[in-house]
Amino acid sequence: ETGVTQSPTHLIKTRGQQVTLRCSSQSGHNTVSWYQQALGQGPQFIFQYYREEENGRGNFPPRFSGLQFPNYSSELNVNALELDDSALYLCASSPVSESGETQYFGPGTRLLVL
Amino acid sequence: KQEVTQIPAALSVPEGENLVLNCSFTDSAIYNLQWFRQDPGKGLTSLLLIQSSQREQTSGRLNASLDKSSGRSTLYIAASQPGDSATYLCAVKGGSYIPTFGRGTSLIVHP
Repeated sequence: ETGVTQSPTHLIKTRGQQVTLRCSSQSGHNTVSWYQQALGQGPQFIFQYYREEENGRGNFPPRFSGLQFPNYSSELNVNALELDDSALYLCASSPVSESGETQYFGPGTRLLVL
Repeated sequence: KQEVTQIPAALSVPEGENLVLNCSFTDSAIYNLQWFRQDPGKGLTSLLLIQSSQREQTSGRLNASLDKSSGRSTLYIAASQPGDSATYLCAVKGGSYIPTFGRGTSLIVHP
């Protein structure tokens, strides 16, 4: 059973640019969630996708968007990058979108915005 | 809005001590509470998941309890080891299915 993988591991962008982060969910998992974790903070929920549809969103502006593909891989896109977007971005997958399932996290992508 | 607080923020102990990490939450209408471990710059590893109908879960040297009415959970680590050094996070999932994380407890176990 493969785990959750993310790419790239590190990324440097400048303010105003756009970025795409990728996640490959654990085999058999049809739900993926994305989180932003600033230094010294807990992860903040960005959004969740279930069967290619967004079914939950945290307090993030529309310039944060996502996609989930039929093979359950997913992307997080961030437009018009701001300095405060610098953070560790984590994706997590689970078998279903219901409340009771454990989430399995990837290693994260560390984004630095200059 | 759910708020999750973890105390203490940091902890440094000698090897072999038994530890208690605390997590409190403001809204007791939860579905589950999950404890995670995070090594520096890495993703999260799930340690224990407690459903709202449960009072505790155990895995090896770890035991987590849940008291929904008082909005508290504790993670008990028995006989701590240097390999336990990490940040421990709790996350509460409520009615919106959106998990809310605390800021974590940074643990150092020195030999």
